[in-house]
Amino acid sequence: QVTLRESGPALVKPTQTLTLTCTFSGFSLTTSGVCVNWIRQPPGKALEWLARIDWDGDKYYRTSLKTRLTISKDTSKNQVVLRMTNMDPVDSATYYCTRSTTAEYAFDNWGQGAAVTVSS
Amino acid sequence: SALTQRTSVSGSPGQSITIYCTGSSSDVGGYDLVSWYQQQPGKAPKLMLYEVSKRPSGVSSRFSGSKSGNTASLTISGLQADDEADYYCCSFARSNSFEFGSGTKVTVL
Repeated sequence: QVTLRESGPALVKPTQTLTLTCTFSGFSLTTSGVCVNWIRQPPGKALEWLARIDWDGDKYYRTSLKTRLTISKDTSKNQVVLRMTNMDPVDSATYYCTRSTTAEYAFDNWGQGAAVTVSS
Repeated sequence: SALTQRTSVSGSPGQSITIYCTGSSSDVGGYDLVSWYQQQPGKAPKLMLYEVSKRPSGVSSRFSGSKSGNTASLTISGLQADDEADYYCCSFARSNSFEFGSGTKVTVL
């Protein structure tokens, strides 16, 4: 059974760096074709893909946020970390980590989401 | 930029409805890698279709998908009360990225 769980601060101040951790089980990020993504959803708004890290270490970012995002993995801990710098109130959202594969390019498993509010 | 979806669609129980998702040649039109997600209030999205028309195990055959040019569509046949939710399309796009649609709220009358 695949599970993903996001963890991190619920509140960050403007200009601070957000660090979110995705801890997963039921699959390995060393398996060829497996990927972990971060997706966010502001309250009442649409989903927005942010970043992806692949089993081989390749990383991809949303172009408009590329300078602020860093995604990394620790395969020994089954964790993927997302860092987003210079947080702004418009970054307030629920942040989801998801699994995908390079076979299907679809998000087949989702975490429950981590709500993050950016406010002073 | 976000793929375009109609804000809301409604139908009576038993009817069929279709949700459209319009992009460009850089995303929907360029790849057969469109997926659809159902999101119930307060819940994480759930994958309903992938690669335009394939259903994951456990998803009802009442959900079907297709694509023509830069527009993909999701059809729900035999509409049921628990189909009421927000639906998002998503497409693989250039630069190994993904674009989601703006979302469609489905109301069962």
